[in-house]
Amino acid sequence: GAVVSQHPSWVICKSGTSVKIECRSLDFQATTMFWYRQFPKQSLMLMATSNEGSKATYEQGVEKDKFLINHASLTLSTLTVTSAHPEDSSFYICSARVLQVYGYTFGSGTRLTVV
Amino acid sequence: QKEVEQNSGPLSVPEGAIASLNCTYSDRGSQSFFWYRQYSGKSPELIMSIYSNGDKEDGRFTAQLNKASQYVSLLIRDSQPSDSATYLCAVGSTGNQFYFGTGTSLTVIP
Repeated sequence: GAVVSQHPSWVICKSGTSVKIECRSLDFQATTMFWYRQFPKQSLMLMATSNEGSKATYEQGVEKDKFLINHASLTLSTLTVTSAHPEDSSFYICSARVLQVYGYTFGSGTRLTVV
Repeated sequence: QKEVEQNSGPLSVPEGAIASLNCTYSDRGSQSFFWYRQYSGKSPELIMSIYSNGDKEDGRFTAQLNKASQYVSLLIRDSQPSDSATYLCAVGSTGNQFYFGTGTSLTVIP
């Protein structure tokens, strides 16, 4: 089945530094990748939609200069959290739409802790 | 974001009982509906998808869709302790994106 590989699974960084999260589609081409954030005991909140070869579309309230998304190939999308702050600590998950019948396939998630 | 609403729970049912999870959505143009299960600290995993009005059964799971009422539900028969998780309703919007409800926490008591 369609698999999305997400790395790292967890990361701790200092406040003010940047962190890059990668998502790779292993056995299919993902023209569109979705990035979500989930705070404890809350639902998944769509942050942005990344499209291969074009600029990402950000949801209202999400700072595009802080959360940099690159989708340079059909199998790789990256999210970079720039100048991270403790309030950016969260669970970040990527997903790709495979086929209509399958809905989304999700990466394993990245738990970011900013200290 | 488009509204997808679920009862947050927690919902507790005894082992072997039927668990009923409900979801309503605001976008009348939505055409695809999904139920995901999420264990704590893990990514969601797809349980069921449904596109047409009526019931769809898969093993112990039954999804029910009523587009006129903008309502989708998930029934879990013969609930097991391993079914204890948060269940997320996801709706495919007219903008070709998917939005999730806040999730319902289910606990199956042995």
